[in-house]
Amino acid sequence: GENVEQHPSTLSVQEGDSAVIKCTYSDSASNYFPWYKQELGKRPQLIIDIRSNVGEKKDQRIAVTLNKTAKHFSLHITETQPEDSAVYFCAAVIHSGTYKYIFGTGTRLKVLA
Amino acid sequence: NAGVTQTPKFQVLKTGQSMTLQCAQDMNHEYMSWYRQDPGMGLRLIHYSVGAGITDQGEVPNGYNVSRSTTEDFPLRLLSAAPSQTSVYFCASFSGGNIQFFGPGTRLTVL
Repeated sequence: GENVEQHPSTLSVQEGDSAVIKCTYSDSASNYFPWYKQELGKRPQLIIDIRSNVGEKKDQRIAVTLNKTAKHFSLHITETQPEDSAVYFCAAVIHSGTYKYIFGTGTRLKVLA
Repeated sequence: NAGVTQTPKFQVLKTGQSMTLQCAQDMNHEYMSWYRQDPGMGLRLIHYSVGAGITDQGEVPNGYNVSRSTTEDFPLRLLSAAPSQTSVYFCASFSGGNIQFFGPGTRLTVL
């Protein structure tokens, strides 16, 4: 079926450390993998995305990696700061005639000062 | 561009009342969706549309209706509000296999 598993559900790191969030998707027709950050009381907003023909993408302190064979993709945040504290959602977009977003269950990241 | 807009921002209903949450986008996106997010939880898909005149059910459609008469608008109707429908509702839109943009949300409380 269509499913995205996301781990961990909560993550606490010290300021300056790195954080890694992992997702696994089930449908091999998935070809686009965005990551969203949701601050408290706000809407989810895209922070980085990757397409299936790319293995890695980096934007300053954040990076995403994709392993199509294993159907895994991960978000890496380096040099974490208190403002990185938020809930992060991964998603896999399935293209099978129409497009369908499948979201992970979210990871609550706390960066401890 | 205003992006995705939603009204109202906040709403309190009594059990059994009906209401419509409004959603509009000005990006000419063919796909539009409604999600609900309960406190501390993830996003659950209520209904979605792949174009004007076409709608389909998501994961949690019971108690909600939608219609899509234009590309821009995708209202969500609560038929007979129940306390279990207390939640934050997000409307979102995207084009093809691209970024999905979310509206600011409607915080609904049903007493």
